[in-house]
Amino acid sequence: DSGVTQTPKHLITATGQRVTLRCSPRSGDLSVYWYQQSLDQGLQFLIQYYNGEERAKGNILERFSAQQFPDLHSELNLSSLELGDSALYFCASSPRGGANTGELFFGEGSRLTVL
Amino acid sequence: GEDVEQSLFLSVREGDSSVINCTYTDSSSTYLYWYKQEPGAGLQLLTYIFSNMDMKQDQRLTVLLNKKDKHLSLRIADTQTGDSAIYFCAETSDYKLSFGAGTTVTVRA
Repeated sequence: DSGVTQTPKHLITATGQRVTLRCSPRSGDLSVYWYQQSLDQGLQFLIQYYNGEERAKGNILERFSAQQFPDLHSELNLSSLELGDSALYFCASSPRGGANTGELFFGEGSRLTVL
Repeated sequence: GEDVEQSLFLSVREGDSSVINCTYTDSSSTYLYWYKQEPGAGLQLLTYIFSNMDMKQDQRLTVLLNKKDKHLSLRIADTQTGDSAIYFCAETSDYKLSFGAGTTVTVRA
């Protein structure tokens, strides 16, 4: 158990819909990272937050947004869903926020299926 | 991870050694990592190497780093069925870990 909790574990929805994925980092970790894992794209970095502030942005679509709340949990919002958004979405946390991330601790992921 | 490349599949006989190779692009990466993903689970750190090292050994795991060629390898000695998983190499750059596509290791009896 990494200490990172993601909900929901599985989600099935239709195209055009909007979903929210939630992540609780390990106790004491200030950084949260979101990754998308799909068969054709591998593990793609989406976005990082450190202590409530956006720190780095990767291949995140404009239809997607995220935030980190004062209690350090984070939410990833996916809107106007398309079939290609079906993937496993991972949240990871680390105590650091610098350019050198150190070890990331991953949750078990939220599997999104868009029909 | 478009900047980190690794072969996609490896099949190895139980008891043999497995070698997983990776090339990366960011020469400023201070650490390079190997993560393991078992079926239905998240990624878990397996081992890492500091960029000023050439080799690191940790029980059955040996990491080799060739900075000149930006090549990283992971050797698993005496591969067991429990080693069947996806192995990702990763480099640190710009506040994130960039991962390769992952090598699926299948251990056959």
